[in-house]
Amino acid sequence: EAGVAQSPRYKIIEKRQSVAFWCNPISGHATLYWYQQILGQGPKLLIQFQNNGVVDDSQLPKDRFSAERLKGVDSTLKIQPAKLEDSAVYLCASSSTRSTDTQYFGPGTRLTVL
Amino acid sequence: AQSVTQPDIHITVSEGASLELRCNYSYGATPYLFWYVQSPGQGLQLLLKYFSGDTLVQGIKGFEAEFKRSQSSFNLRKPSVHWSDAAEYFCAVATTTSGTYKYIFGTGTRLKVLA
Repeated sequence: EAGVAQSPRYKIIEKRQSVAFWCNPISGHATLYWYQQILGQGPKLLIQFQNNGVVDDSQLPKDRFSAERLKGVDSTLKIQPAKLEDSAVYLCASSSTRSTDTQYFGPGTRLTVL
Repeated sequence: AQSVTQPDIHITVSEGASLELRCNYSYGATPYLFWYVQSPGQGLQLLLKYFSGDTLVQGIKGFEAEFKRSQSSFNLRKPSVHWSDAAEYFCAVATTTSGTYKYIFGTGTRLKVLA
């Protein structure tokens, strides 16, 4: 069974530029999560999708971050414009139908904002 | 507010020694509790989880954790550590509001294993 795929693995941009991350969850998984992991901290949930609907985006900085999950499968997370404090690893995870089912994490995208 | 505390930022043990990583949570109801491991450059991998029932939970790679409601703790243990266990370990709690589960992670404990 293929795992959660993310791309790119690394991205370096300058502040005020825009960037997008892509996630392909495990086939058949209805729930998809985006986390932000700043160095030295635990992952922080940014947004949670159930199929293609948003379940929780309370911690997503909506003035600069956006995410979508078209057709309930792949998802993209965008930052526009980026700030220095957005430097982090962005993790995507997926789980099957129930919210408490095991989350499977992708390898993450390491973003550096200069 | 719900929270997860991992009091130890770094822990160093010798290979073959026993290990205990501490985790305390703050949540009014019975929580769902998890331990994840993260190796460098990798995503998180689930070691074990507690939803209900037996308070001693067995996981992968020889790990176990014990849920103690009276102490609001969910400590991770391993009787004999291997060099390959060196990684960062995260405790997490899933809380529910209006039927939606939200995951809160601790800040992690980085484990170093001495040969």
